[in-house]
Amino acid sequence: DAGVTQSPTHLIKTRGQHVTLRCSPISGHKSVSWYQQVLGQGPQFIFQYYEKEERGRGNFPDRFSARQFPNYSSELNVNALLLGDSALYLCASSVDSHNEQFFGPGTRLTVL
Amino acid sequence: GEDVEQSLFLSVREGDSSVINCTYTDSSSTYLYWYKQEPGAGLQLLTYIFSNMDMKQDQRLTVLLNKKDKHLSLRIADTQTGDSAIYFCAEKIDSWGKFQFGAGTQVVVTP
Repeated sequence: DAGVTQSPTHLIKTRGQHVTLRCSPISGHKSVSWYQQVLGQGPQFIFQYYEKEERGRGNFPDRFSARQFPNYSSELNVNALLLGDSALYLCASSVDSHNEQFFGPGTRLTVL
Repeated sequence: GEDVEQSLFLSVREGDSSVINCTYTDSSSTYLYWYKQEPGAGLQLLTYIFSNMDMKQDQRLTVLLNKKDKHLSLRIADTQTGDSAIYFCAEKIDSWGKFQFGAGTQVVVTP
């Protein structure tokens, strides 16, 4: 069975640009969460989506946005990139919003 | 407040037991989790424990929960070189599944 998939695996952008990261959940999972993991730290919660609706938002600026599609895949968008946005962005899926989360391999974003 | 704390580093000899400790602050947490992260990879769910349990055993893994002290530990029996990784403790802090992670404990297994 395929796990959570994310694309791209690596990405290099410059300050001020925007980026779109993609996530496909495990088949049958309806909830997707996004996390930012800065080097040397634990993942920080950004968003959770369930049934295409935002169910939770972490302490991130409005430059961060996300959406979930009818097939439960999700996109994370970040506008006006800053150097501090350089991180591993992790997507996690769960059967519903209450169950354990399974993580994808992440997208490594580098902002120059 | 929302804070999960872990020791940063643990060195253990192959074949010995490892114990990774974690403290959390949200007494309303319903589930607590242990994840493993190998270099360049995402997080792998190892095990979890429901907050009304004291202990859970799963093969080489034993999770102990002291809810009074808000202390969680993960014991790995017969530690192998493949167990070298960063281990994250996480608590589920709202009904919708928001997870709060610790900074991770790097476990290094030496021959």
